[in-house]
Amino acid sequence: DQQVKQNSPSLSVQEGRISILNCDYTNSMFDYFLWYKKYPAEGPTFLISISSIKDKNEDGRFTVFLNKSAKHLSLHIVPSQPGDSAVYFCAASTSGGGADGLTFGKGTHLIIQP
Amino acid sequence: DTGVSQDPRHKITKRGQNVTFRCDPISEHNRLYWYRQTLGQGPEFLTYFQNEAQLEKSRLLSDRFSAERPKGSFSTLEIQRTEQGDSAMYLCASSPIGQRLDGYTFGSGTRLTVV
Repeated sequence: DQQVKQNSPSLSVQEGRISILNCDYTNSMFDYFLWYKKYPAEGPTFLISISSIKDKNEDGRFTVFLNKSAKHLSLHIVPSQPGDSAVYFCAASTSGGGADGLTFGKGTHLIIQP
Repeated sequence: DTGVSQDPRHKITKRGQNVTFRCDPISEHNRLYWYRQTLGQGPEFLTYFQNEAQLEKSRLLSDRFSAERPKGSFSTLEIQRTEQGDSAMYLCASSPIGQRLDGYTFGSGTRLTVV
């Protein structure tokens, strides 16, 4: 049973426009959410996170929104740049202290078109 | 120290053979994690060490898998009697104690192919 779901395997966006990547979760015990970015032949790299006590976190071009009642989060990238083309993973944890493993979604392949 | 290092990058082995992978975390990081990623899936948590103590193991870690971190520095992951279903990318990550999960740093992984 997938506890973290990314229902769009791929997304194509024009350079300069907004990219919106979505993630749904089923486990109400999750209290910390992260987005990772992965290029081919590299490990995932941390992008942005959000605690369940917040509904928005912003870092430069990246903003994560959390809707706890809907068990949904989204990552907004604006403006999208060619270097943003990568696979994006949504991940969740039941503790914020690093002692618990992360549960990942299957990923969304974002393609930024010139 | 440039990050988390994993060796080898690629491993091809025959079914039934044993394989061992190594992970060197960032030197000041006390916590070390192993994940497995199969094609089309996200990384799946396998096990976690704090210093030399293995504190958590996933049910994915069958008795053919064993992980060690003998001196609280590098870690090894051994798979005995490999099966084709073990073919995957094995990822190692490390983080400091007391830092939230955004302190994770992943290595580039070891890709295992069992033929």
